[in-house]
Amino acid sequence: QVQLVQSGAEVKKPGASVKVSCKASGYSFTTYGISWVRQAPGQGLEWMGWISGYNGNTKYAQRFQGRVTMTTDTSINTAYMELRSLRSGDTAVYYCARAGGAVDGFWGQGTLVTVSS
Amino acid sequence: DIQMTQSPSTLSASVGDRVTITCRASQSISSWLAWFQQKPGKAPKLLIYEASSLESGVPSRFSGSGSGTEFTLTISSLQPDDFATYYCQQYNTYSWTFGQGTKVEIK
Repeated sequence: QVQLVQSGAEVKKPGASVKVSCKASGYSFTTYGISWVRQAPGQGLEWMGWISGYNGNTKYAQRFQGRVTMTTDTSINTAYMELRSLRSGDTAVYYCARAGGAVDGFWGQGTLVTVSS
Repeated sequence: DIQMTQSPSTLSASVGDRVTITCRASQSISSWLAWFQQKPGKAPKLLIYEASSLESGVPSRFSGSGSGTEFTLTISSLQPDDFATYYCQQYNTYSWTFGQGTKVEIK
């Protein structure tokens, strides 16, 4: 069965970086992309960007351009999202989700990133 | 960028009520529209894809309609398990946008 398992919670200081992983299983990793979505406490869902599992092509939401990098390691079926220059407003749960041309509802369990001095 | 406007932001209803949530896109998205349900502390759950296709395992009281820029999610008879927050999402060439969410509360 399709599973996306994310890395554990992180606590970071303002200005630091965080790298969240998303390990996929149960399907051909290179056939789908991975989108990253975040949710600040009590707030809605915000799409951050997408990476192709096939060739690593990326598409980032404009507001994260220059501060986010998404990568994959196809040898271990894992996608990564790195966010730099963290500030308190980046405190959120970060989700990965499988993303082909359509929507199919497979999401990771979420990773809480807390930014606090 | 495509903007999604969802209404209402909060909805108070009783068990058995018919509930409708609306989502409007800033430009045509054909039928590339999904609806998700989210409960506290959980990842979103897919209910509807391609505007009107019911995800496997989702109760038939959920239905979606619309195309272009106007979409609706309808719950025909609200059940206790349906009190949650609902989001519309457009998916167009690997770029997603979510509506701001509708919280369905117990009246």
